[in-house]
Amino acid sequence: AQSVAQPEDQVNVAEGNPLTVKCTYSVSGNPYLFWYVQYPNRGLQFLLKYITGDNLVKGSYGFEAEFNKSQTSFHLKKPSALVSDSALYFCAVRDIKGGGNKLTFGTGTQLKVEL
Amino acid sequence: GAVVSQHPSWVICKSGTSVKIECRSLDFQATTMFWYRQFPKQSLMLMATSNEGSKATYEQGVEKDKFLINHASLTLSTLTVTSAHPEDSSFYICSASSSMGQGRYEQYFGPGTRLTVT
Repeated sequence: AQSVAQPEDQVNVAEGNPLTVKCTYSVSGNPYLFWYVQYPNRGLQFLLKYITGDNLVKGSYGFEAEFNKSQTSFHLKKPSALVSDSALYFCAVRDIKGGGNKLTFGTGTQLKVEL
Repeated sequence: GAVVSQHPSWVICKSGTSVKIECRSLDFQATTMFWYRQFPKQSLMLMATSNEGSKATYEQGVEKDKFLINHASLTLSTLTVTSAHPEDSSFYICSASSSMGQGRYEQYFGPGTRLTVT
């Protein structure tokens, strides 16, 4: 079964500092990986995805993620955090077996950016 | 593009009653819709997958007679929570995807519905 793990329940960062939200994956075959952000009482917003190609993926709102096959990781990064980035972040993997597109989500990481 | 709406955004109902939640794809045809449930400070749990015109496929442990899903058109799916109980109180999120077009198979999420059963 495919899965992703987010080892940190919460990450605290000062505004202006770089941020990293960690994600590791376990899949059979090539991984299709995603990052989503959720603000309180809202649905999920897509940030970025990795399907194939460059290991560094650029996404919305200045976020990027680095795919590392040897470490089976897909960490989310941003060079300079903003207070408005404070939200819940989910890593997800798509199950493409049989042509499907079910997503399995990690447990989420609460990002708190402080002044 | 790829906008998904949900209605209502929040609902309060009495124990024993049923409540219907709508999920609409506003600018694309959703061949597949997904329903998730999210408890506070927890991840999304997939409840079921529905393909237009077909019966929904429920995940293990989800009661199909309690959570009725209908996907009668390419732009609308509904989730009906029957005989609701306080433990059904949760945040319900739908997503939609299409098998056509450039963004095919991507999931686009609705804003969620907060259900409180009293």
